[in-house]
Amino acid sequence: DQQVKQNSPSLSVQEGRISILNCDYTNSMFDYFLWYKKYPAEGPTFLISISSIKDKNEDGRFTVFLNKSAKHLSLHIVPSQPGDSAVYFCAASGTLQGAQKLVFGQGTRLTINP
Amino acid sequence: GAVVSQHPSRVICKSGTSVKIECRSLDFQATTMFWYRQFPKKSLMLMATSNEGSKATYEQGVEKDKFLINHASLTLSTLTVTSAHPEDSSFYICSARLGTYEQYFGPGTRLTVT
Repeated sequence: DQQVKQNSPSLSVQEGRISILNCDYTNSMFDYFLWYKKYPAEGPTFLISISSIKDKNEDGRFTVFLNKSAKHLSLHIVPSQPGDSAVYFCAASGTLQGAQKLVFGQGTRLTINP
Repeated sequence: GAVVSQHPSRVICKSGTSVKIECRSLDFQATTMFWYRQFPKKSLMLMATSNEGSKATYEQGVEKDKFLINHASLTLSTLTVTSAHPEDSSFYICSARLGTYEQYFGPGTRLTVT
């Protein structure tokens, strides 16, 4: 039962253009959402987050949009840079079995082409 | 801020032996830490929640007698893989929670059981 889904396993974008990574969730109890960036053989690095009471959060080149009615969030990176090439995980936070936990999507490998 | 370290970064052990992995929050105190496992090209799977001063909470399907967790202080949690088998070979990642939602991850430990 995949509660958080990233349906695109990979995405390739030209340098300087916008990268849009998508994430869908099924559990309406999730109340906070996070995006992490991960390089091979390293731990995830926190990028940006959004509370369920908001629909947009912006931090520099990164913007996260949340559409609660559609249970969908997206991460926009603009302009995309070669250093952005990595695997991006979205994560949803909620109280599951009585404890606050993160549930991760499968990840999307983003490649920025020069 | 919010730095989490893990040690060792890589470990090779023989089948039947035990190996301990340490997770430290370097610049903040964490009452709650988490242990994840990542299979190749897969998402992060939560194994257990480590609570300072109390017993860890294990996810369904994770053997608590095999994966021993100790969270003796606000900055240190340890995961001991007991009687390791080749199928335990994986990438283990810890995280520490800061605030209500955000988790900061360690760099991970690559365990290889021969």
